[in-house]
Amino acid sequence: QSVLTQPPSVSGAPGQRVTISCTGSSSNIGAGFDVHWYQQLPGTAPKLLIYGNSNRPSGVPDRFSGSKSGTSASLAITGLQAEDEADYYCQSYDSSLSGRVFGGGTKLTVL
Amino acid sequence: EVQLVESGGGLVQPGGSLRLSCAASGFTVSSNYMSWVRQAPGKGLEWVSVIYSGGSTYYADSVKGRFTISRDNSKNTLYLQMNSLRAEDTAVYYCARDKRHYYYMDVWGKGTTVTVSS
Repeated sequence: QSVLTQPPSVSGAPGQRVTISCTGSSSNIGAGFDVHWYQQLPGTAPKLLIYGNSNRPSGVPDRFSGSKSGTSASLAITGLQAEDEADYYCQSYDSSLSGRVFGGGTKLTVL
Repeated sequence: EVQLVESGGGLVQPGGSLRLSCAASGFTVSSNYMSWVRQAPGKGLEWVSVIYSGGSTYYADSVKGRFTISRDNSKNTLYLQMNSLRAEDTAVYYCARDKRHYYYMDVWGKGTTVTVSS
């Protein structure tokens, strides 16, 4: 049972837009801690995709965007491409646990 | 080039011990926060431990009292000493540079596999 809740799977056709939600609580996202997103391609290590709720590291396409509101956050991917098929994880900090916390991950399938 | 390379994984019996290493290049371990994150087979990511630049350490409840994070500044290397290992500790273990004050991980290693089984 992950501290942050994500849908297990989402899917979309090439060119479409998909969103992945991440729901937390008053001790993590709702407490004001930033949400970060990682992309994990099959068989590889996670890669930072979005940091500080909505910032993209250098090299990440602007098709990826993040937002945060209240106790939830969202990752949006526009212009879906086959290479976007991967697992996506949200992550934040939890003050009651004094540690970093991850969502359970969402598998994105490009139809 | 900024890089992290983990080593030390392997097969260990329940109750046994193992020490993982994470060699860094392109930046200084002691000036950064450094985390260990694990991923059990077919499961999601689980944060394990962090060491701050000042030396403070924090652990997930699942490993507290069994795992110890440390670093060797002269070798620019991060460690994870794992004792009293259980089957549920079986996972790929990643080390990551943890962005100080912001709680996200911007550089990751490729991981090392730990299997706890008799």
